[in-house]
Amino acid sequence: QSALTQPRSVSGSPGQSVTISCTGTSSDVGGYNYVSWYQQHPGKAPKLMISDVSKRPSGVPDRFSGSKSGNTASLTISGLQAEDEADYYCCSYAGTHWVFGGGTKLTVL
Amino acid sequence: EVQLVESGGGLVQPGGSLRLSCAASGFTFSTYWMNWVRQAPGKGPEWVANIKQDGSEKYYVDSVKGRFTISRDNAKNSLYVQMNSLRAEDTAVYYCARHDSSGTHFDYWGQGTLVTVSS
Repeated sequence: QSALTQPRSVSGSPGQSVTISCTGTSSDVGGYNYVSWYQQHPGKAPKLMISDVSKRPSGVPDRFSGSKSGNTASLTISGLQAEDEADYYCCSYAGTHWVFGGGTKLTVL
Repeated sequence: EVQLVESGGGLVQPGGSLRLSCAASGFTFSTYWMNWVRQAPGKGPEWVANIKQDGSEKYYVDSVKGRFTISRDNAKNSLYVQMNSLRAEDTAVYYCARHDSSGTHFDYWGQGTLVTVSS
């Protein structure tokens, strides 16, 4: 039950695009299309941004998109805005349990 | 509006016990899988346990098996976790989180309750 691997930090200027990767194994990310992404602002609970690899819940801007290739999932945020600055976590089903990534801090320059 | 409100956190000595509660409202509680997810200071979330709608299936992360017990009371729209033999590494904010209807992700989270295990 090891954590998924994410870069510790990424950054971009307003209007630019950034991509956050999430690497697991064939037992989690690669084995199921149940990868989700969560945004967390300081002192707040995580908020669902992407489910089932690439589905956007109602209310989430279409600037947020998800994809997966093999054992690696990705979250892309286009047209960066100041309010996107937060921590982002990926999560995958791993057969009777769930595993999260260590998190990526997004800084909007 | 879906609401999940955790309570019961606090300071406990190593080896001690604590019971957390989560009061749910705004949805039909008895029709959803429910979860406890924790987040240690400065770390990513860690899934702890979940429970089926009728309580007939329960799953735990290896590190809490035999020490934590998840339960629910559908008549009271409440989720619980009994935590025994607590260790310093159990220190975290504990969130109650709902699985969506398909069970593939966590669609609603509570605000969390802090558990600190220290002497």
